[in-house]
Amino acid sequence: DIQMTQSPSSVSAAVGERITITCRTSQAFSTYLNWYQQKPGKAPKLLIYATSSLQSGVPSRFSGSGSGTDFTLTISSLQPEDFATYYCQQSYSAPYTFGQGTRLEI
Amino acid sequence: QVHLVQSGAEVKKPGASVKVSCKVSGFTLTELAMHWVRQAPGKGLEWMGGFDPEDKGVIYAQKFQGRVTMTEDTFTDTAYMELNSLRSDDTAVYYCAAEGSSGSYYSWGQGTRVTVSS
Repeated sequence: DIQMTQSPSSVSAAVGERITITCRTSQAFSTYLNWYQQKPGKAPKLLIYATSSLQSGVPSRFSGSGSGTDFTLTISSLQPEDFATYYCQQSYSAPYTFGQGTRLEI
Repeated sequence: QVHLVQSGAEVKKPGASVKVSCKVSGFTLTELAMHWVRQAPGKGLEWMGGFDPEDKGVIYAQKFQGRVTMTEDTFTDTAYMELNSLRSDDTAVYYCAAEGSSGSYYSWGQGTRVTVSS
């Protein structure tokens, strides 16, 4: 199974700041990396698919990059509605594992 | 735009089975590859299984092999996930999700809370 390790596990930031979340995988691949946002009591929401493609309707302040075993999600200027938990997921090889999550707090 | 609506919360005793449904609208089930993901209280997301378009069949996470069955009713456009021999650590919110580009899950059901307690 491909192991997914996110860092940090939690981060505090202010509105307007730029933050980066990292996802490290135990096996290398290029495009099968996805990012989700989840708010308390809600289903996850797809933000980025195929490493760097922005899902329709997602604000352009979200971006993804990476290859090999290191991937990042960047939020360029935090907005109040961005405070949530973020998960990476690999869709390269079953089982399609998720990272443990990064909690973004004010 | 695909919309997924799941069945309501369930409370089960250890050893029992639960069957969660996921009604699809906006698309037909034959146009989608459906997956199931669960989330224990305060924990992360865990993939359970789903339809593999390449194999044209359902694949399950090894952890759930022999205990989970994922089926589809194409007449009613409803997907089902049945989990048997429930244990207390199966207490979780169970989500169905539709697969999109590069294996991502672009649409999710609202979740079904399953509580396993004696």
